[in-house]
Amino acid sequence: QKEVEQDPGPLSVPEGAIVSLNCTYSNSAFQYFMWYRQYSRKGPELLMYTYSSGNKEDGRFTAQVDKSSKYISLFIRDSQPSDSATYLCAMSVKGDDKIIFGKGTRLHILP
Amino acid sequence: GAVVSQHPSRVICKSGTSVKIECRSLDFQATTMFWYRQFPKKSLMLMATSNEGSKATYEQGVEKDKFLINHASLTLSTLTVTSAHPEDSSFYICSAIPPGASEFFGPGTRLTVL
Repeated sequence: QKEVEQDPGPLSVPEGAIVSLNCTYSNSAFQYFMWYRQYSRKGPELLMYTYSSGNKEDGRFTAQVDKSSKYISLFIRDSQPSDSATYLCAMSVKGDDKIIFGKGTRLHILP
Repeated sequence: GAVVSQHPSRVICKSGTSVKIECRSLDFQATTMFWYRQFPKKSLMLMATSNEGSKATYEQGVEKDKFLINHASLTLSTLTVTSAHPEDSSFYICSAIPPGASEFFGPGTRLTVL
């Protein structure tokens, strides 16, 4: 089993819908959880950064971590065509420099 | 599945020395690899595109004589930070794109320059 699993998509949703992006992981030692957004031919942009369990909200974005299920989610409310990109989850262990990335999910918001 | 590795995962060096970081695609050939730099809780900044058999393409503002990139084979790209200074301390991440797939990222290398 890979350390981090993420469905590559593509995921197509209509504009204005709520988007749910997810990752599962196998290493229970992960404590830092990140979501990146990557537009074509650009570097990944850090969207959300959470430590341990719980929710974190920033504007239209909500990151959720369920450590008991080893499952993390990113919700995008009121989705817009400009949200079309690849979204990568990433995780790391406290005190370890390695970051383990998911494969990324390609998201298309249809106008 | 596609795997990208980096070595070392962590390196500490003295100011003025050079440090080499390796990026390998373990089960696929990559004619192109990418090198990124990340500061704590920040986005990944694309530094350069490494091209097998030819010169790397550097992003604006990245010193090519400072960050030497060599893509000697289809599975290996190296980034050498020459005459490292404390401001070069950062987290360096490489990536590669397998044929027909999306970008795969390495686990990163933490460089600390004393």
